[in-house]
Amino acid sequence: DQQVKQNSPSLSVQEGRISILNCDYTNSMFDYFLWYKKYPAEGPTFLISISSIKDKNEDGRFTVFLNKSAKHLSLHIVPSQPGDSAVYFCAASENNFNKFYFGSGTKLNVKP
Amino acid sequence: DTGVSQNPRHKITKRGQNVTFRCDPISEHNRLYWYRQTLGQGPEFLTYFQNEAQLEKSRLLSDRFSAERPKGSFSTLEIQRTEQGDSAMYLCASSPLRSSYEQYFGPGTRLTVT
Repeated sequence: DQQVKQNSPSLSVQEGRISILNCDYTNSMFDYFLWYKKYPAEGPTFLISISSIKDKNEDGRFTVFLNKSAKHLSLHIVPSQPGDSAVYFCAASENNFNKFYFGSGTKLNVKP
Repeated sequence: DTGVSQNPRHKITKRGQNVTFRCDPISEHNRLYWYRQTLGQGPEFLTYFQNEAQLEKSRLLSDRFSAERPKGSFSTLEIQRTEQGDSAMYLCASSPLRSSYEQYFGPGTRLTVT
């Protein structure tokens, strides 16, 4: 029972353009949503988060949008850089943070 | 702050053997999580400790798996009677209570069961 889904296994974008990564979830009890970035041979690193009381959170080139009615969130990277090439995971948790559910990841390739 | 460390980084074992992995979280991080990740999938939650107490355990975790966190510091994950299906990357993450949503992951232990 996959409660967090990333339906695009890969995405290729030209340097300088916008990258949009999508994530869907099924559990309406989720309170926090997070994006992680993962390079090969390393553990995931936290990128940005959003709580369920907000619909947008911005941090530099990264913006996460949350649409609770659609149970959908997206990560926008503007402008995309070659160093952004990695696998991106979305994750979700209820407000006790005792358990996190991860999507299957989207591999982003930013072409120079 | 040296980050979360995991040992060993790689483990090859024969089916039926027991294996134990260690995770050293960032000091003073109260929360510690174990995940399993297979190729093409995201991390799958296994278990959660708050200090030394194991508060959450995935129902996917069979009785061959056990985890401990004595004294609320490092943690160990043991797999008994390993099966080929246990082959995966085992990830550990920790977080402080004050910003609980931000997990810091270790590099993982890659287990191969032959």
